[in-house]
Amino acid sequence: GQQLNQSPQSMFIQEGEDVSMNCTSSSIFNTWLWYKQDPGEGPVLLIALYKAGELTSNGRLTAQFGITRKDSFLNISASIPSDVGIYFCAGQGTGANNLFFGTGTRLTVIP
Amino acid sequence: NAGVTQTPKFRVLKTGQSMTLLCAQDMNHEYMYWYRQDPGMGLRLIHYSVGEGTTAKGEVPDGYNVSRLKKQNFLLGLESAAPSQTSVYFCASSYRALRGGEQFFGPGTRLTVL
Repeated sequence: GQQLNQSPQSMFIQEGEDVSMNCTSSSIFNTWLWYKQDPGEGPVLLIALYKAGELTSNGRLTAQFGITRKDSFLNISASIPSDVGIYFCAGQGTGANNLFFGTGTRLTVIP
Repeated sequence: NAGVTQTPKFRVLKTGQSMTLLCAQDMNHEYMYWYRQDPGMGLRLIHYSVGEGTTAKGEVPDGYNVSRLKKQNFLLGLESAAPSQTSVYFCASSYRALRGGEQFFGPGTRLTVL
């Protein structure tokens, strides 16, 4: 399968700080997705990116589709305690079996 | 709408036992998927289905079988469980596979094989 490298693996930040995480791949993807997983739950889609260079926001979250189509980043501004969780990037090619996930970034927000 | 539901939530098996995990969705989605999540490895696709009566292999299909007899249900079977199948299993569904086909995930089933 495709290998998506996500960094950092974990982050400990103070409430109110900004957060940045990124994802790189050896392959080109048509779509980049960012999911969040809360403890004991399944992943929930945060942002979807469909075009190289695209910058998309969802509230305090901003994500970009890299121009090489091999990377993406996610920023969270002014973090709050409910941002705690695991964030996954995912790259999608064509076809139903072409969604590949990164290894996740575990975010801890210290009040 | 319940979205995607999975049963059971937890299960402990002994090596060699069999079991079936049930996934149900009430969104009338055509596509359904089974993933496994292991520490440090993200989610990996086991099998998927593009419609009722169809199934296909994903990235890690060995040791698993699936069936999609009804559009709303997708079953994952383990015929002879092995310790390597200890994992958290997630089911997902989507309206379509390509652009705009967001996958909605169930809450997961935590399986331990002793």
